[in-house]
Amino acid sequence: AQSVTQLGSHVSVSEGALVLLRCNYSSSVPPYLFWYVQYPNQGLQLLLKYTSAATLVKGINGFEAEFKKSETSFHLTKPSAHMSDAAEYFCAVRLFGQNFVFGPGTRLSVLP
Amino acid sequence: ETGVTQSPTHLIKTRGQQVTLRCSSQSGHNTVSWYQQALGQGPQFIFQYYREEENGRGNFPPRFSGLQFPNYSSELNVNALELDDSALYLCASSPEGGPPHTEAFFGQGTRLTVV
Repeated sequence: AQSVTQLGSHVSVSEGALVLLRCNYSSSVPPYLFWYVQYPNQGLQLLLKYTSAATLVKGINGFEAEFKKSETSFHLTKPSAHMSDAAEYFCAVRLFGQNFVFGPGTRLSVLP
Repeated sequence: ETGVTQSPTHLIKTRGQQVTLRCSSQSGHNTVSWYQQALGQGPQFIFQYYREEENGRGNFPPRFSGLQFPNYSSELNVNALELDDSALYLCASSPEGGPPHTEAFFGQGTRLTVV
């Protein structure tokens, strides 16, 4: 069965600092990978997705993620954090035709 | 193009009662999935409907059931509510026939509290 690990349930960074949110997946076949963001009291919004076209994926709001098959990772980064980035971030995997499997989430706090 | 809409936004029920949650999928999307998100956790897959038939189910008991209607809207029904059913219930829609990396579009969720 697929699983997703997100190291660090809570990450705090200063405004302007690098954001790094970790995601590792467990799958016997290369999955399709997604990052979603959830703001308080809201649903999930897609940040970016890996489509196998390129290992470095750029998403909305300045976020990007790099797919590393050898490390089974899909870490999310942003060069400079903004206060508005404070939210819950979920990594998810999906095999063709199947449902999404979400990680437990990482709560990002941005300190002034 | 309208997004995924869910109703109601908040709901309080008593243990043992039954509840129905509703979802309107995004225009043109005929696949609807439901997820349960407990506080502080990631969403967990409940089931998926495609063309009015359930075509996938997660590890949830039969008291969780659903329907999909010809207009692709959907309902999630939960019978004999338990305190642990308190969660945010998310509906997601996606189009048929898209590439494997097609994302799902989520509604804002229904916050269910069981007391």
